[in-house]
Amino acid sequence: EPEVTQTPSHQVTQMGQEVILRCVPISNHLYFYWYRQILGQKVEFLVSFYNNEISEKSEIFDDQFSVERPDGSNFTLKIRSTKLEDSAMYFCASSSSGKGQFFGPGTRLTVL
Amino acid sequence: AQSVSQHNHHVILSEAASLELGCNYSYGGTVNLFWYVQYPGQHLQLLLKYFSGDPLVKGIKGFEAEFIKSKFSFNLRKPSVQWSDTAEYFCAVNAAGTYKYIFGTGTRLKVLA
Repeated sequence: EPEVTQTPSHQVTQMGQEVILRCVPISNHLYFYWYRQILGQKVEFLVSFYNNEISEKSEIFDDQFSVERPDGSNFTLKIRSTKLEDSAMYFCASSSSGKGQFFGPGTRLTVL
Repeated sequence: AQSVSQHNHHVILSEAASLELGCNYSYGGTVNLFWYVQYPGQHLQLLLKYFSGDPLVKGIKGFEAEFIKSKFSFNLRKPSVQWSDTAEYFCAVNAAGTYKYIFGTGTRLKVLA
């Protein structure tokens, strides 16, 4: 069964550093998403991406964040200058019709 | 703004007990509704979804949910839980025609063998 994959599974970085979280969505899916889950809190929507552009983003997704689909398979989330409060689990998801998403296993980001 | 409330944060049941987890949302327009499950150490998996039609939807593993539009609710049910149902359950809402999904805070279910 096809799966969404994410790398790395755990990323540790220093405050102020740039990080890139990578996702490989399911191959025939057209809609891509990033969420984050701070420890003990709820899953928060960050951004959705369709047709090579952002279709919707939340208040969390400020200028420090960007997304890209650099090739036909990868979907990346970049955080330009990480802050302590960016420490969270980041989930990528994809869907074929914008309804009902398949989630990846997540990347745990720790900012020191 | 849309929001989703899951009032039960922690639920503990014995095996074979019946389960009902509450989910209420606030949004006046048409919505798509979802329940996701996250087993310990695993990623979110879609349990079931409602887009339109029959308000009683059946999902995987014997779960079902009923959309009651007048109550803005989409409660998850299972007649007889098993130990393997121990997990965290998330309700999510998507306003039709948008790409933003709002999740509830989750309900942590523990089933005692």
